[in-house]
Amino acid sequence: EAGVAQSPRYKIIEKRQSVAFWCNPISGHATLYWYQQILGQGPKLLIQFQNNGVVDDSQLPKDRFSAERLKGVDSTLKIQPAKLEDSAVYLCASSSVTGGELGKLFFGSGTQLSVL
Amino acid sequence: QQQVKQSPQSLIVQKGGISIINCAYENTAFDYFPWYQQFPGKGPALLIAIRPDVSEKKEGRFTISFNKSAKQFSLHIMDSQPGDSATYFCAASKGGSEKLVFGKGTKLTVNP
Repeated sequence: EAGVAQSPRYKIIEKRQSVAFWCNPISGHATLYWYQQILGQGPKLLIQFQNNGVVDDSQLPKDRFSAERLKGVDSTLKIQPAKLEDSAVYLCASSSVTGGELGKLFFGSGTQLSVL
Repeated sequence: QQQVKQSPQSLIVQKGGISIINCAYENTAFDYFPWYQQFPGKGPALLIAIRPDVSEKKEGRFTISFNKSAKQFSLHIMDSQPGDSATYFCAASKGGSEKLVFGKGTKLTVNP
């Protein structure tokens, strides 16, 4: 079974530039999440999708962050304009509510963003 | 507001020893408590999880102990191996939601 795919693996940009991350979840997983992991901290949820609808985006800084999940499969997370404090690893995760695996998230390897 | 407090921040254990990581939570609505393991350059992976209807769950060398009255849960790694060296995160969620709140993590080093 293929895992959660994310790209790019690394990204270095200057502040005020824009950046986009891509995620392809495990096939058949209806729920997709974007987490932000700052160095030395645990992941923090930014946004949760159920199919192509937003379930929770309460912690997404909507003035600069946006995310979409067209057709309920792939997702992109965009930051515009980036700030220094956005430097972090952006993790995508997916889950399936079927098969008794409620609560089990599968994470990708993440995109490491450095804002200079 | 940190809803899940994890300690210690780092832990060094000798091969064959027992590693113990503790977490405390505040929200009594939490009803799902997983532990995730993360290796450098990788995303977290679910290790073991518990629900509050049991006080202990064991899977191989990994055991979760849960104390509902104290609002605490801990991960015990028996016979720790160098391959267990990783960062461990406790987490919690409520009401069947998959919205996980993570602790800050514990970096475990197992010396050979």
